[in-house]
Amino acid sequence: DIQMTQSPSSVSASLGDSVTITCRASQDIDIWLAWYQQKPGKAPKLLIYAASSLQSGVPSRFSGSGSGTDFTLTISSLQPEDFATYYCQQANSFPYTFGQGTKLETK
Amino acid sequence: QLQLQESGPGLVKASETLPLTCTVSGDSISSRRHYWAWIRQPPGKGLEWIGTIYYSGSTYYMPSLKSRVTMSVDTSKNHFSLKLSSVTAADTAVYFCARQRQGANDGFDIWGQGTMVTVSS
Repeated sequence: DIQMTQSPSSVSASLGDSVTITCRASQDIDIWLAWYQQKPGKAPKLLIYAASSLQSGVPSRFSGSGSGTDFTLTISSLQPEDFATYYCQQANSFPYTFGQGTKLETK
Repeated sequence: QLQLQESGPGLVKASETLPLTCTVSGDSISSRRHYWAWIRQPPGKGLEWIGTIYYSGSTYYMPSLKSRVTMSVDTSKNHFSLKLSSVTAADTAVYFCARQRQGANDGFDIWGQGTMVTVSS
């Protein structure tokens, strides 16, 4: 199975800050990586697919980059609704696997 | 508007089989663009993919669960189902059904609200 490792596990930031979350795959997954945002008691929401494509309806302050084994999610100019947990997921091959999550908290 | 809705028992006894159904509305489960999946999340923990099914009936399962998982699709009812046998407390989780955006390499763009399943001893 492909292991997905996110860092950091948690991060504190203030409104207006820019935050970057990284995700590393244990083997080459090309561009087949997705990012999700999850708020307590809710289903995850797709933010980014194919490493850098913005899902319809997602604000442009969210951006993704990377290929191969190293990927990043950047959130610029943090808004109140951005404080949540973020997960990466590889869709290169079965079994699909998720990162352990990064909790973005307000400083 | 496309919606997915999970249904099934909220409480299952240990060693029994957990049956869940995901009803799709606003889209056809027979669409050749989409794959359909079950994903779960134990309380306070991360997301775990359980398995994926295509309208044709092709299935892909998490290896650690493969011996206990069966997924099926009913195109006439526009729903797909999950059966997880011999459940234990470790199977207590919120179970989500989800649609893959376009193809097997894509993200999950539509999710059900999730259904909490508790395994009792």
